[in-house]
Amino acid sequence: GEDVEQSLFLSVREGDSSVINCTYTDSSSTYLYWYKQEPGAGLQLLTYIFSNMDMKQDQRLTVLLNKKDKHLSLRIADTQTGDSAIYFCAESRGNTGKLIFGQGTTLQVKP
Amino acid sequence: IAGITQAPTSQILAAGRRMTLRCTQDMRHNAMYWYRQDLGLGLRLIHYSNTAGTTGKGEVPDGYSVSRANTDDFPLTLASAVPSQTSVYFCASSEQMNTEAFFGQGTRLTVV
Repeated sequence: GEDVEQSLFLSVREGDSSVINCTYTDSSSTYLYWYKQEPGAGLQLLTYIFSNMDMKQDQRLTVLLNKKDKHLSLRIADTQTGDSAIYFCAESRGNTGKLIFGQGTTLQVKP
Repeated sequence: IAGITQAPTSQILAAGRRMTLRCTQDMRHNAMYWYRQDLGLGLRLIHYSNTAGTTGKGEVPDGYSVSRANTDDFPLTLASAVPSQTSVYFCASSEQMNTEAFFGQGTRLTVV
């Protein structure tokens, strides 16, 4: 997904907060998603945010959207070893509805 | 159990051979997608279908074809495989375009 950018790697200690960042380019995107991929598995939807929202909180997950800067972030509070995975942000293109993914951020949680 | 199923799970294929990756969903979703996942590149959309009978090209459609004869099935065909098509292929479906997508477990394809 050349139009959706993520940093490739993040390492945190267990119990700390993790913040994974994403930038996108299509201002017509209607939904923005965060997916989680565990080793050898498919993608699982974690959460999503509609483009007219600034923030969405769901238990340990907080999504922040800055539409002006086209910046999306996922904050995981009290990160656990089970949170170790690859996290993908994705945008849903407004005119086609196609999901375009970033490269994925590998989150490593150290005990 | 409702969901999306891909077959085969993995395959080693000789270059030049034809291969069809199968994808079936029983959620009556209208939209279906094929992605390939390569290290450092994330998931790239190959082809998609908004509804049965229609298909569209994604970011990297060359060398691949799809069909959508019915709601449930969305096969991906490699007419003449090349080593650069070595990848993990994911099929996904969503109720409509712009709604949550559900992913299959993936097909790991190696072209030698």
